[in-house]
Amino acid sequence: GDSVTQMEGPVTLSEEAFLTINCTYTATGYPSLFWYVQYPGEGLQLLLKATKADDKGSNKGFEATYRKETTSFHLEKGSVQVSDSAVYFCALSDRNKFYFGSGTKLNVKP
Amino acid sequence: DGGITQSPKYLFRKEGQNVTLSCEQNLNHDAMYWYRQDPGQGLRLIYYSQIVNDFQKGDIAEGYSVSREKKESFPLTVTSAQKNPTAFYLCASSTDHGGATQYFGPGTRLLVL
Repeated sequence: GDSVTQMEGPVTLSEEAFLTINCTYTATGYPSLFWYVQYPGEGLQLLLKATKADDKGSNKGFEATYRKETTSFHLEKGSVQVSDSAVYFCALSDRNKFYFGSGTKLNVKP
Repeated sequence: DGGITQSPKYLFRKEGQNVTLSCEQNLNHDAMYWYRQDPGQGLRLIYYSQIVNDFQKGDIAEGYSVSREKKESFPLTVTSAQKNPTAFYLCASSTDHGGATQYFGPGTRLLVL
């Protein structure tokens, strides 16, 4: 069946460091891929998405490229800020269902 | 502003009591969803509705019930049959159930007294 696997956290970085959060997926169809962010005590907010292979989603300095050959959708940011501290969820939608990864907590220290 | 609202933000349940969590959206979305999130874990689907007066069980529907009498509203009842209800509950909606982007409400935290 379909699934999403994310790197385990927490990930701890210093401000202005480069961020990568790995996400790989398994799907039988042609999924759309998403990254959501969750700040403490809040719901999930859509960060970016990509709907087909080689698409790049981007928002607020974050980027992720839909790589069909490696079934990956890694999240990157060139310079993180303290305000980026949150939990990040990778997700896919395929054949009318949504699948979420388990989330990766990011801590950014000043 | 369009969006999804959930109320209350915190809810306390006594043993043997049913409680209802509210979810309202003004995005004109057809599909709505309820998820449960436990500490440090991902989201698990409880129920979803593709259209008014129709809903389907998700992966962990036991001990929960829903209704969809209006397009804007999708309340979730946590019944006394749910033995471990303490969790963070998230409501979401999308334009349809065909894999469209899901948009989330702010969540309700349910605690058992």
